[in-house]
Amino acid sequence: KAGVTQTPRYLIKTRGQQVTLSCSPISGHRSVSWYQQTPGQGLQFLFEYFSETQRNKGNFPGRFSGRQFSNSRSEMNVSTLELGDSALYLCASGTGGAGEQYFGPGTRLTVT
Amino acid sequence: GQQLNQSPQSMFIQEGEDVSMNCTSSSIFNTWLWYKQDPGEGPVLLIALYKAGELTSNGRLTAQFGITRKDSFLNISASIPSDVGIYFCAGPKDNYGQNFVFGPGTRLSVLP
Repeated sequence: KAGVTQTPRYLIKTRGQQVTLSCSPISGHRSVSWYQQTPGQGLQFLFEYFSETQRNKGNFPGRFSGRQFSNSRSEMNVSTLELGDSALYLCASGTGGAGEQYFGPGTRLTVT
Repeated sequence: GQQLNQSPQSMFIQEGEDVSMNCTSSSIFNTWLWYKQDPGEGPVLLIALYKAGELTSNGRLTAQFGITRKDSFLNISASIPSDVGIYFCAGPKDNYGQNFVFGPGTRLSVLP
């Protein structure tokens, strides 16, 4: 079974721009969660989508948004990028309960 | 809010030695997940625990769900160079959904 895939792996953007990251979950997994990882703040939960609906949301500004498609693939969008948005963005998939969650390799976003 | 603490923050050990690390929470968890992350990669799920007192092994790794449900422990026996990395514990913020809170990690270095 293929693992969680994320594209692109690396991205460089300029302040003020917007970016869209993509995540394909493990086949059969209906839950997709997004996390931001930085050296200072560690791994922080952004939001979770389950069956195309946002089910949980972390404490991030509205510039961070996401969506999930009927095939469970998910996208995350960040608008009006700030320098502080530079981070490793991780996507994780699971069956939906408070159980095992599997991560993708991440997208390294650098904002200049 | 819920916070997880991990100790030690970092450790240097000789190849072949056993390793112990732990994770504590200010609140009760019903699930504990242990992950290992290599530089530039996503976290890899090592062990999942679902019941207080549960002891689960995965090769040379053994993890325990503390009986108070506020802590968990991870042991690595006979460490090898590829055990180098950052080990994270995680617990769900609620009983449904995949919104996990992560500890700050324990950085393991193995000296040959």
